Amino acid sequence: EPEVTQTPSHQVTQMGQEVILRCVPISNHLYFYWYRQILGQKVEFLVSFYNNEISEKSEIFDDQFSVERPDGSNFTLKIRSTKLEDSAMYFCASSDGTGFQDGYTFGSGTRLTVV
Amino acid sequence: DQQVKQNSPSLSVQEGRISILNCDYTNSMFDYFLWYKKYPAEGPTFLISISSIKDKNEDGRFTVFLNKSAKHLSLHIVPSQPGDSAVYFCAATPLADYKLSFGAGTTVTVRA
Repeated sequence: EPEVTQTPSHQVTQMGQEVILRCVPISNHLYFYWYRQILGQKVEFLVSFYNNEISEKSEIFDDQFSVERPDGSNFTLKIRSTKLEDSAMYFCASSDGTGFQDGYTFGSGTRLTVV
Repeated sequence: DQQVKQNSPSLSVQEGRISILNCDYTNSMFDYFLWYKKYPAEGPTFLISISSIKDKNEDGRFTVFLNKSAKHLSLHIVPSQPGDSAVYFCAATPLADYKLSFGAGTTVTVRA
């Protein structure tokens, strides 16, 4: 079954450092998303991406965050200057955009720890 | 974001019995409702969805019921199996933006 692949599975970074989280969506999918889950809290929407541009973003997704599809397969989330409160599980997801009969497909997540 | 609420943080059920998970929502613009299952250290896995134009959708052991007037949906798992022990998330989206709003999750424990 096709998978969304995320790397690394765990990243530890110092506060103020830049991090890039990587995702390989399912190859024929057109819509890409980042969500995050702070420990003990809800899964929260960050951003959606379609046709090489952001289509929606939440208030969490401020100027410190950016997304990119640098080539035909990767989808990245960059946090420019990490803060302690950025520590969370970050999930990438993709969909083919034909509806929600099959939901999105999520990756296994990257656990980001900011120290 | 309190648009989707799962008021029961946990549920314990005997193997073979029915598990019923509940979810309430406040946004009348939601068009689709989804249930996801999540194991520790894994991403959410899609289980079943329902469109707002339906009141029931069934897939094997999983059935989702939607009561639009009450803004309430439920997931029934029959029969419950030990492998069903996981966190279950209710999510909803308006088709206009494909953005999922999640509930806080319900941890299901299936006892042998």
